[in-house]
Amino acid sequence: SQQGEEDPQALSIQEGENATMNCSYKTSINNLQWYRQNSGRGLVHLILIRSNEREKHSGRLRVTLDTSKKSSSLLITASRAADTASYFCARGGSYIPTFGRGTSLIVHP
Amino acid sequence: DAGVIQSPRHEVTEMGQEVTLRCKPISGHDYLFWYRQTMMRGLELLIYFNNNVPIDDSGMPEDRFSAKMPNASFSTLKIQPSEPRDSAVYFCASSLRDNSPLHFGNGTRLTVT
Repeated sequence: SQQGEEDPQALSIQEGENATMNCSYKTSINNLQWYRQNSGRGLVHLILIRSNEREKHSGRLRVTLDTSKKSSSLLITASRAADTASYFCARGGSYIPTFGRGTSLIVHP
Repeated sequence: DAGVIQSPRHEVTEMGQEVTLRCKPISGHDYLFWYRQTMMRGLELLIYFNNNVPIDDSGMPEDRFSAKMPNASFSTLKIQPSEPRDSAVYFCASSLRDNSPLHFGNGTRLTVT
């Protein structure tokens, strides 16, 4: 399978805590993309990290990429109730963007 | 830009009926994708187009499913005849070029009774 696989499947934290989600993949990539999906909505692109990058930041988001381990992580710092959503990774390579089942994040106020 | 527009937002139909889902991608985007999302199977890629040409339809589950893109601003996904197991949320997405981020519509929730 070429899809990304997110871990854990579900994560429940308190507001203000950090949330870390992981993504593993099986084949080579050009980039790895993270998306968020709020209930009843489409996926929204959050951040793209290229295969020659190791870390990238966007606001409270930090993404790391380890191509030797074929894994990526998404860290949300100082989480807010509004961060409650499902988070997906997608591998960009020989272009068929496929997604895993996502991590369901619940942030309790 | 209004983003990717899908219609209808909800569709309820009886088994055996024809269902047509519609999508208007973002202007200027070269790629268009149709996905299906269920609790059991997650987000599955059904088919994608490049410059209106279908490139990979290996994800289309059966001959009952067909997709067209007659021009750069419109695509349809048709199910004929529909079955209860087709109940899912169907998403359309577009992207500017190869390996660019995808822009998703808000989906069509299909219920087949």
